[in-house]
Amino acid sequence: DAGVIQSPRHEVTEMGQEVTLRCKPISGHNSLFWYRQTMMRGLELLIYFNNNVPIDDSGMPEDRFSAKMPNASFSTLKIQPSEPRDSAVYFCASSLRSRSGHNEQFFGPGTRLTVL
Amino acid sequence: LAKTTQPISMDSYEGQEVNITCSHNNIATNDYITWYQQFPSQGPRFIIQGYKTKVTNEVASLFIPADRKSSTLSLPRVSLSDTAVYYCLVGDQAGTALIFGKGTTLSVSS
Repeated sequence: DAGVIQSPRHEVTEMGQEVTLRCKPISGHNSLFWYRQTMMRGLELLIYFNNNVPIDDSGMPEDRFSAKMPNASFSTLKIQPSEPRDSAVYFCASSLRSRSGHNEQFFGPGTRLTVL
Repeated sequence: LAKTTQPISMDSYEGQEVNITCSHNNIATNDYITWYQQFPSQGPRFIIQGYKTKVTNEVASLFIPADRKSSTLSLPRVSLSDTAVYYCLVGDQAGTALIFGKGTTLSVSS
């Protein structure tokens, strides 16, 4: 398996523009997570899905952020309009939720977003 | 979700054993303790998980006392390549989201 795939790897945009980050989870995984990482705040959970349904979006900072998972193999995180403070590395992770054992999360390589 | 507290940073030299302790005073009965490792410019990756006593794998050991209010990740004979951020997380088996926070930055020098 290729692992979790994220695109783009780097994104530079100007304030006010719309940004869409994409994620393809590992085939067969039924949970998907979006994280944001900055030096100041560390690694923060934004939202996570189970079986394509958003379970907890309390980490989504503002209404400017939205996430969708139209099917089991694809998810997007959209920021509209973007602001300089949104600059961060955004990670997508997936796991196989089960009743026993730890649901190890597998992380993608991340998208480094810079908003000018 | 149980909150965890761990040191912000640690320094070590090659060949030494490193122990990183994490406090989780309000850990719940169903919670497991899990550690992740993150190298620069990469996403975190799973290292080890335990519920009680001791767990060992090819990478590390995890020591958990009887009261489970803390845990210690032990890295034997570290090398330069072990320089990374280490996260201690607590959560139940059901796969509810885990809180990563800022972790412990381990710096290994020669």
